[in-house]
Amino acid sequence: GEDVEQSLFLSVREGDSSVINCTYTDSSSTYLYWYKQEPGAGLQLLTYIFSNMDMKQDQRLTVLLNKKDKHLSLRIADTQTGDSAIYFCAEPSAGGSYIPTFGRGTSLIVHP
Amino acid sequence: DTGVSQDPRHKITKRGQNVTFRCDPISEHNRLYWYRQTLGQGPEFLTYFQNEAQLEKSRLLSDRFSAERPKGSFSTLEIQRTEQGDSAMYLCASSPDRTYGYTFGSGTRLTVV
Repeated sequence: GEDVEQSLFLSVREGDSSVINCTYTDSSSTYLYWYKQEPGAGLQLLTYIFSNMDMKQDQRLTVLLNKKDKHLSLRIADTQTGDSAIYFCAEPSAGGSYIPTFGRGTSLIVHP
Repeated sequence: DTGVSQDPRHKITKRGQNVTFRCDPISEHNRLYWYRQTLGQGPEFLTYFQNEAQLEKSRLLSDRFSAERPKGSFSTLEIQRTEQGDSAMYLCASSPDRTYGYTFGSGTRLTVV
C-alpha cells in the first residue's frame, strides 16, 4: 500500500521562503500533487507534477521531484501570512484506480 | 457556481441516529470520491464512483456506511447508528478523469454526541 510522509509543522517569517518536504512510496506514480487546506475548508489543488519532470515552477511555487529518493518538495517564495495553512502531498494509488492518497499534512505558520 | 457543493456544512447528531450527507459534483465530472478527515490527519479514502457505478470501497467503510450516486449526478453518504468515532469532516471530490483535476468541496463536519 501507499504511505506518504510529511513533517507536521513548519514555522517561517513573512517574506522568507518555505520548503515543505514529502516522501512517497510508489515509484510508479505518474504524477504527484500538492493541496492546501485553510481552517474549516476543503482542499484546494495548488499544483501537480508529472513523474517525467524534475521541476515545475508556477509563480511563487516551485515543485522539485527526486524520483530516485521518492522525495517531493514544495517551495513557496516570499511567504505571506495568507499562506498559513495545512499543505498535503498526495500520490495516486496503485492498481489502476489512481485515487489520491494523502499524507498527514504540514501545518505552515507564517509569523509577521 | 461550478464548484463541488456539500450539504449540510455541519451536522450534530446523537449517538445511534442515522445521518445522510449530500454532494453535488462539478456537472461534467464523471468521477466522484468520498473521503473522511479527522483532526490532525490527512483525508482518508472511503469510496468512489465512476458515473453511477461504485467501483471501489475502502475497508474504512463499515457496513454502517452506504453511498449512492443515482443517475451519475449527485451522491449521498449515509451513516447508520452513528458512533462517536464517526465524528469527522466528510469531504467529497470530483474529477473529469483519473489523472488530475480533483476538486474538493468544503466538507460536512459531523459531530456525534
